[in-house]
Amino acid sequence: EDKVVQSPLSLVVHEGDTVTLNCSYEVTNFRSLLWYKQEKKAPTFLFMLTSSGIEKKSGRLSSILDKKELFSILNITATQTGDSAVYLCAVEAGNNDMRFGAGTRLTVKP
Amino acid sequence: KAGVTQTPRYLIKTRGQQVTLSCSPISGHRSVSWYQQTPGQGLQFLFEYFSETQRNKGNFPGRFSGRQFSNSRSEMNVSTLELGDSALYLCASSLNPPGLNTEAFFGQGTRLTVV
Repeated sequence: EDKVVQSPLSLVVHEGDTVTLNCSYEVTNFRSLLWYKQEKKAPTFLFMLTSSGIEKKSGRLSSILDKKELFSILNITATQTGDSAVYLCAVEAGNNDMRFGAGTRLTVKP
Repeated sequence: KAGVTQTPRYLIKTRGQQVTLSCSPISGHRSVSWYQQTPGQGLQFLFEYFSETQRNKGNFPGRFSGRQFSNSRSEMNVSTLELGDSALYLCASSLNPPGLNTEAFFGQGTRLTVV
C-alpha cells in the first residue's frame, strides 16, 4: 500500500536554529514529491521535486530528493517565528493519486 | 488574479443531512482536486477533476461525490452525513492535472461541522 511518512511529527526550536524535516515514501510509479507549508488553513506550495540529487532552494528553505532511498528532506536555516507551521509532504503517484504525510508541526520560539 | 474560492467558509449540519460544497478555481485552471483534512489523519485525497471528468478518486465511501462544470467550477457533495465527516475540506486548482509537474493552489477551505 502506498504511504508517505514524515518525521518528526513535531519539533520545537529557537529562532536562529536550523531544522531538517524528513519525508519517506513508498508509492507505485513515483512521479513527484511536493512540500507544502500549512498555516491556519490552506497549505502553500514550497517545492516540487522530481529528480534525485538536485537541490531546490528558496531563501532559507531548501529541499532535496533521493529516489534511490525513497526520501526527501526539507531544510530551514536561521529559523524565524514566522516559520512556525505544519509542513506537509505529498507524493504524486503514477495512478494520478496524491498521498500526503501526516505533517511535521514546527514551532519556533523567540 | 483571484485565487481559489471556496464557499461556504463554515457550515454546520446535522447527522443524516446532505451538503454541497463549491470551489471556483483560478481562472484558466482546469484541474480541481478535493481534500479532507482532519486533526488525526492529516490531508486525505478525495477526488480530482480535469475538464469535467473525474480522473481519480480517493478511498472514501460512495456518500462522497463530486462534479465539475464546463467553467471548471467544482462541487463536492456528501450525503447522509456522519459525525466523522466533520473536517476542513480543501480544494486545490492547477493548470494541468496532478502528475504533470504542476503547482497546485489551495483555497481557504470549508469547515464542516456535523452535529
